[in-house]
This record gives sequence, structure tokens and C-alpha cells, in this order.
Amino acid sequence: DTGVSQDPRHKITKRGQNVTFRCDPISEHNRLYWYRQTLGQGPEFLTYFQNEAQLEKSRLLSDRFSAERPKGSFSTLEIQRTEQGDSAMYLCASSFENFYEQYFGPGTRLTVT
Amino acid sequence: GNSVTQMEGPVTLSEEAFLTINCTYTATGYPSLFWYVQYPGEGLQLLLKATKADDKGSNKGFEATYRKETTSFHLEKGSVQVSDSAVYFCALSRDDKIIFGKGTRLHILP
Repeated sequence: DTGVSQDPRHKITKRGQNVTFRCDPISEHNRLYWYRQTLGQGPEFLTYFQNEAQLEKSRLLSDRFSAERPKGSFSTLEIQRTEQGDSAMYLCASSFENFYEQYFGPGTRLTVT
Repeated sequence: GNSVTQMEGPVTLSEEAFLTINCTYTATGYPSLFWYVQYPGEGLQLLLKATKADDKGSNKGFEATYRKETTSFHLEKGSVQVSDSAVYFCALSRDDKIIFGKGTRLHILP
């Protein structure tokens, strides 16, 4: 199966620690998106890349969050100095440029204790 | 701004019942509209889509029609199965991102 993959699937960390998540998109897709989903809510857009360029960042993405896609393939999302409010499911999606359909990975569930 | 409003759940139905999950949207221009489904323990899957007014998206017995005049995209299925139990998200695509509703949890009883 060559769908979107994310690693790890689950992460438990203590408040104040840094965490990093990885997303591998569908190989032919040049766009990669990050969303955050909290309990009982729909996913909310965080940021997206076209190839290696980060084209937009939501105001939800505070200075503690940084995302990269250095070679236009996989992407990482780092959260520094985690807070309990960062506990959520972090979803990655990919698509072709100018295509409306986005394909989602299984997500990384972050729990900050 | 752009937003999606869908009926709150949970919705509980018996097997073979008729399903409607209401969804309305607010958007500038003419967005594409989607229904995504999230089965327990799994990621989001695209269920169906419609890209312009009066389009009907359909998949796995589910249907939704893009109604510009009422800004709606209601999800329907004529006869639900236990395996349809999941969370359903109505969504729109605008400015290269997807905006989701809060989701409706559906329970189907055998």
C-alpha cells in the first residue's frame, strides 16, 4: 500500500519536552498538509507545502511549532516545549497540485502529561 | 469567513433505516464539497465529493447533492448497515485547504 504514512502513531511526552513527527506522503503528490484534530472536533488546518516550499501557516501554528519538508518528499512537524493544550491527533495529508482531493494518513496521537 | 456546520450527534439508527446527516456551509465563491468518514481506529477517508452546483456525489450507497441555493450538502443513505458506524465529516475546499465540520458520530444498531 502506498498511502500516506505517519510515524509514530502514538506519542506520550511530558510537558516541556520537544517532540517530532514524520509524514511520508503519496510519492507522486507534490503538496503536503498538516492538520490538528482535538477530541470532538473536525481537523483544523495548520500548514502546507508545495514541494519544499511552505506556502501557508495558520495562526494556530504558534512559534513553538515548526514544519519542514527539506527535499520535497517527507515532512517533519516539531513541537518545542510541549504544553497540555498540544494534546491532539496530528494528521498529515497529501495531494497533487490543483487537485481538491487530499489523502490522509492515520495520524499521530500526542498526549502531553 | 469559510465554515461548515453539520448536525450534532450522536445519531443512532437501526440497521436498514434511512440516514440523513445535514450539512450547510458558508464560503466565498464556489468551493468543492466533501464528505469524509473516520472508522474507529482508522484515518480519514474521502467518502464522496462534488465540485460544482447540482453535482451529486455518490459512493458505497451514500449520496449528497451540492445545493448552491440553500448552501447545503446533506448526506443520505437509503439503508444503513452496522458497518456504517463511524464519524462523518462534511468539508469544503477553499484556498488550497480543507475546512471541516465538527463531525457527526453515527451508531447503527443490529
